[in-house]
Amino acid sequence: GAVVSQHPSWVICKSGTSVKIECRSLDFQATTMFWYRQFPKQSLMLMATSNEGSKATYEQGVEKDKFLINHASLTLSTLTVTSAHPEDSSFYICSARATENYGYTFGSGTRLTVV
Amino acid sequence: DQQVKQNSPSLSVQEGRISILNCDYTNSMFDYFLWYKKYPAEGPTFLISISSIKDKNEDGRFTVFLNKSAKHLSLHIVPSQPGDSAVYFCAASLLGAGDKIIFGKGTRLHILP
Repeated sequence: GAVVSQHPSWVICKSGTSVKIECRSLDFQATTMFWYRQFPKQSLMLMATSNEGSKATYEQGVEKDKFLINHASLTLSTLTVTSAHPEDSSFYICSARATENYGYTFGSGTRLTVV
Repeated sequence: DQQVKQNSPSLSVQEGRISILNCDYTNSMFDYFLWYKKYPAEGPTFLISISSIKDKNEDGRFTVFLNKSAKHLSLHIVPSQPGDSAVYFCAASLLGAGDKIIFGKGTRLHILP
């Protein structure tokens, strides 16, 4: 079945630094990938839609200059959290859709802790 | 404005019995609905989906029912097993509208021995 690999699974960084999270579709091509954020005991909140070869579409309230998304190929999308602050600490998850009837496949998530 | 609502944050069910997780939505334009299961510190796992042209979809122990007039769907798990203990997210999508899916807040299911 469709597999989405997300890396790293966890990362700790200092305030002010930037962190890059990768999302790869391993056995299918994904023209569109999605980035979500989950706070403890909260729902998965869509942050942005990543489109291969074009600019990402950000949801209302998400700072595009802070959360940089690059979708340079049909199998890779990256999310870079720039100038990270403690409030950016969260669980970030990517997803992609393999085929119309398959449903969305999610990566295993990245736990970001900013200290 | 929560377009997908899961009003029960948690549910406890005896092993072997039926688990029923409920979900309501407000946007009548949604045309595709999905259920996901999630363990802590892991990404969600797709369980089952249903198109708005159907009212029932069954896959093994999992059945999803859709009542469009009531804007309500439910996930039935029978019989419930210990490994079913997890958080279940209901999600809705508007096919063709960027493929975005909107999640509910989730229901934590506890299967009791």
